[in-house]
Amino acid sequence: DQQVKQNSPSLSVQEGRISILNCDYTNSMFDYFLWYKKYPAEGPTFLISISSIKDKNEDGRFTVFLNKSAKHLSLHIVPSQPGDSAVYFCAASLGSSNTGKLIFGQGTTLQVKP
Amino acid sequence: DTGVSQDPRHKITKRGQNVTFRCDPISEHNRLYWYRQTLGQGPEFLTYFQNEAQLEKSRLLSDRFSAERPKGSFSTLEIQRTEQGDSAMYLCASSHPGQGADTQYFGPGTRLTVL
Repeated sequence: DQQVKQNSPSLSVQEGRISILNCDYTNSMFDYFLWYKKYPAEGPTFLISISSIKDKNEDGRFTVFLNKSAKHLSLHIVPSQPGDSAVYFCAASLGSSNTGKLIFGQGTTLQVKP
Repeated sequence: DTGVSQDPRHKITKRGQNVTFRCDPISEHNRLYWYRQTLGQGPEFLTYFQNEAQLEKSRLLSDRFSAERPKGSFSTLEIQRTEQGDSAMYLCASSHPGQGADTQYFGPGTRLTVL
C-alpha cells in the first residue's frame, strides 16, 4: 500500500526553464509535507515543507503547492539550474503530535540540461 | 555547524556476521529516526526514539535488528546474522518539534553490502 506516490520516475528540463515535480497521497490525515533532494551516496537534504493548513509555500527558487481536495502536491523550481539535477523525494507526516515518521514517495530523477 | 553524522559510511560484511552502525544527531534534537533505503525506492521508516525511549518500530524491523539510544544522544543500530536482503542504505535523521514544524534532517547514511 503506497500512501505517497511519485508517478514520474524521471524528468528532463532545459536550464532556465521551470521544473515541476508531482506527488500524490492517499491518507487524508497527513498534515505536513516535505520535499527532499538527494545526490548519489548522500543522505536526503531538506528543501522545503508545507503544512496542511496552507496551499503554498515559497523559498527562493522553490515553491511547493498543496491541493488537499485532490491529495496532490507539487514542487516548482524556477529557474532550473544544472546543479538541481538530483533525485527528489516527497514525504508526508501525520505531524509532530504523532511520531512524526515520514512516508516517502519513490522519487523523481530530475535532469537539468545546460 | 554539526549536522547528523553516521559511522561507518560503508560496511561490507559476510552473510551471518553482525554489524553495528552509529548515528550522532544534531545537538539538542530529541527525536531520532532510522530509515532504510533500497535502490529505486524512497526511504522506509524503521524505528523512532524520543530522547532515550524507543516509541515505535516498523514491522520491517525483524528480531535480528535492535536499536538503542542509551542517553538520549547518539544511537546505534545493530543487525545480527546479516542476510543478503539486508543490503541497503541505512539513514538516520533527527528533529526537534519544539522548534516548530517537525522537519527531519538526515545524515549521509551507511551503505551496507552483505556478501
